[in-house]
Amino acid sequence: EAQVTQNPRYLITVTGKKLTVTCSQNMNHEYMSWYRQDPGLGLRQIYYSMNVEVTDKGDVPEGYKVSRKEKRNFPLILESPSPNQTSLYFCASSLSGQGSSPLHFGNGTRLTVT
Amino acid sequence: GENVEQHPSTLSVQEGDSAVIKCTYSDSASNYFPWYKQELGKRPQLIIDIRSNVGEKKDQRIAVTLNKTAKHFSLHITETQPEDSAVYFCAAIISGGYNKLIFGAGTRLAVHP
Repeated sequence: EAQVTQNPRYLITVTGKKLTVTCSQNMNHEYMSWYRQDPGLGLRQIYYSMNVEVTDKGDVPEGYKVSRKEKRNFPLILESPSPNQTSLYFCASSLSGQGSSPLHFGNGTRLTVT
Repeated sequence: GENVEQHPSTLSVQEGDSAVIKCTYSDSASNYFPWYKQELGKRPQLIIDIRSNVGEKKDQRIAVTLNKTAKHFSLHITETQPEDSAVYFCAAIISGGYNKLIFGAGTRLAVHP
């Protein structure tokens, strides 16, 4: 089944403790992206990747890192999480980064930082 | 910067009524406008999209209209059903080095039986 898989679904952590949220897609998509969803703010892009070893900042990249060493994987790293990073996170992929390719979202990761 | 505004933020209708959600965008070069539906606790999923060379597109009970001159587009849902209850996001392409998708803030639609 074609899908984007995120793990974990729920994560509670403390300020400053490094964490990684994994994302994997099995559709051979070139483009992958991370979004955070907050009430009243919609989906805001954190980082994106047009292809392997090509990553760039989105609208809200502060406090996050990503890597794209393989086409299928695009992990999101929070080196020193803070309470303002408490949010619902979605990984997404599409065939290309040319915008009009539909985005396929993962099931989301709800992160709480205390 | 470029943005997409979406209204209303919440919408409550009776089953069988129509629902309309409106979005405006700022980048006159935008040429692709998708709509995503997010059911409670689930991921956003594409339900319909429209490109700038078309003024209207329909898929069963849902339709999207686009007015490029006024830079706004709308989602129309007819004969609403309880399963239409969800958060709906509009989005627009922002042209640039790569075609970036900017999302509206979302509309929470509640359809009451």
